[in-house]
Amino acid sequence: DADVTQTPRNRITKTGKRIMLECSQTKGHDRMYWYRQDPGLGLRLIYYSFDVKDINKGEISDGYSVSRQAQAKFSLSLESAIPNQTALYFCATSARLVTSGSPNEQFFGPGTRLTVL
Amino acid sequence: LAKTTQPISMDSYEGQEVNITCSHNNIATNDYITWYQQFPSQGPRFIIQGYKTKVTNEVASLFIPADRKSSTLSLPRVSLSDTAVYYCLVGENGRDDKIIFGKGTRLHILP
Repeated sequence: DADVTQTPRNRITKTGKRIMLECSQTKGHDRMYWYRQDPGLGLRLIYYSFDVKDINKGEISDGYSVSRQAQAKFSLSLESAIPNQTALYFCATSARLVTSGSPNEQFFGPGTRLTVL
Repeated sequence: LAKTTQPISMDSYEGQEVNITCSHNNIATNDYITWYQQFPSQGPRFIIQGYKTKVTNEVASLFIPADRKSSTLSLPRVSLSDTAVYYCLVGENGRDDKIIFGKGTRLHILP
């Protein structure tokens, strides 16, 4: 979805390096998420944010940190990258629920393929 | 959290109707059923969501029996471009932090 962009799209780095992945959205959504996907597996939630400066841990937050300084941006950092963090990373956004009966969907970015050597 | 079970993979042919069933025996009263589609190296894309009975949109239909313990995603007249992974999710609307993307169903459409 062009409304959710991620940079970089591909990154190769070495063990121990600090890496930052950026996510930007023009959908005006309050909520943003970071997921990782490993080959043949589903997506696992790393961190999520329901508003600016609101940060919440997901299923697999160890080794990661995030920052939400503006509504449109949500960045993911790997403080000291390790090989098992090699994965496809997705950012997603969703709107704050308006009514309980309306569809509640997430809009995903194109992904960042990260390789840690 | 409501756990879902769906087939790991399915094959079908172009022009056929494909039905993918998902089991969610411990679905809660406030939970909705949502399906996403994911093409290789792309993020998932929302297909359809429902609470009970039948929901239809321009892409698919979703059938949910009265007990809501399962649901079936129906894709009419599939084409090669429908080859993708399909995820069934169960959760309360507005609680995206609680939904789980399992391994999904890998659908392969053959010519």
